[in-house]
Amino acid sequence: NAGVIQTPRHKVTGKGQEATLWCEPISGHSAVFWYRQTIVQGLEFLTYFRNQAPIDDSGMPKERFSAQMPNQSHSTLKIQSTQPQDSAVYLCASSLQGANTEVFFGKGTRLTVV
Amino acid sequence: TQTVSQSDAHVTVFEGDSVELRCNYSYGGSIYLSWYIQHHGRGLQFLLKYYSGNPVVQGVNGFEAEFSKSDSSFHLRKASVHWSDSAVYFCAVSYGTGGYKVVFGSGTRLLVSP
Repeated sequence: NAGVIQTPRHKVTGKGQEATLWCEPISGHSAVFWYRQTIVQGLEFLTYFRNQAPIDDSGMPKERFSAQMPNQSHSTLKIQSTQPQDSAVYLCASSLQGANTEVFFGKGTRLTVV
Repeated sequence: TQTVSQSDAHVTVFEGDSVELRCNYSYGGSIYLSWYIQHHGRGLQFLLKYYSGNPVVQGVNGFEAEFSKSDSSFHLRKASVHWSDSAVYFCAVSYGTGGYKVVFGSGTRLLVSP
């Protein structure tokens, strides 16, 4: 079990460019979460999938952020027209049934927008 | 609004000391309470969780936490810390159907001096 895999580990984009972050949840886990971590805001919930279906994206900035889960083995977080304030560590997590079961986190993708 | 408060941003103790990391929450419904640890440069790792039953829950590596409904608290404790326990500790509240919505506290950085 390799755990939750996130790629790339580090990404640098220029302001206005698009960034796509990838997540491979643990096989068999039905719940997938995305969080953003910054020094100032701490850990922020972005979005949640259950059995590939989007359940709650209330934490996503509406205009430029989107998340998908085309199959049970991966999810993507896409940020269009990146801005410096998008710089953060983006964490993907998965669990068997939801956050009432143990949530396993990936190592994160550090996004730097220059 | 559901909130999680970790009153101590930094805690410093000596190896072998006992430690208590404080967590208070505000939420009126059914919730799951968890603690996670994050070592420098790594993803979050699950320590323990509480939903119901015995208010004292045991976790990995000698950690335990005690739920108090009257105080709205879920403090984390360890009787004798090791230098490897130095990390940031996050308290989390999960709510919603299946506890999928997770709100994290701002974290407490624990430094264990040899």
